[in-house]
Amino acid sequence: TQLLEQSPQFLSIQEGENLTVYCNSSSVFSSLQWYRQEPGEGPVLLVTVVTGGEVKKLKRLTFQFGDARKDSSLHITAAQPGDTGLYLCADQETSGSRLTFGEGTQLTVNP
Amino acid sequence: NAGVTQTPKFRVLKTGQSMTLLCAQDMNHEYMYWYRQDPGMGLRLIHYSVGEGTTAKGEVPDGYNVSRLKKQNFLLGLESAAPSQTSVYFCASSYSGVLQPQHFGDGTRLSIL
Repeated sequence: TQLLEQSPQFLSIQEGENLTVYCNSSSVFSSLQWYRQEPGEGPVLLVTVVTGGEVKKLKRLTFQFGDARKDSSLHITAAQPGDTGLYLCADQETSGSRLTFGEGTQLTVNP
Repeated sequence: NAGVTQTPKFRVLKTGQSMTLLCAQDMNHEYMYWYRQDPGMGLRLIHYSVGEGTTAKGEVPDGYNVSRLKKQNFLLGLESAAPSQTSVYFCASSYSGVLQPQHFGDGTRLSIL
């Protein structure tokens, strides 16, 4: 059974700071998706990474996929209060598109 | 375009009662999923469906049943609710094929006393 570990579990920072959160797997990812979930809502997809070493940018968010495809990181530059939320990584299997989620990193950006 | 709609949004049950959670999607997605989300445990897959009339077990299926009689609807049933089933339940849907995003509803908050 695949285990996804996210760290840190909680992170509270001031507006304008940079941060990085991590997602590590006990086995190779089929493909990795990052979601953000805001209070009272369902998760929303941020990005999908597939190729080892891949880097994707989404405005102030930078996603990196490890060369061995067993780890990933999400870096946020100059965090804003609107970045507050639960960041979830998930492995998507190729058949049935089922997702296995990590426990998430709860990010709070204080004004 | 409503996307994925879950009803009800909140519900309180007594132990042993039964209920059905409804998920409806208007995106013509083939695949649909039911997850539960508990503190510190992320989202765990309960059951899923890869097309009308099909269902399959996920990671934590015990105590739940599902049906997909129409492509746009996916029902989750609790036959005899237990306090351990207190959770937030999320439905999601996606197109078939790899690398497709899942689109989530806003959840049903279920408390079982």
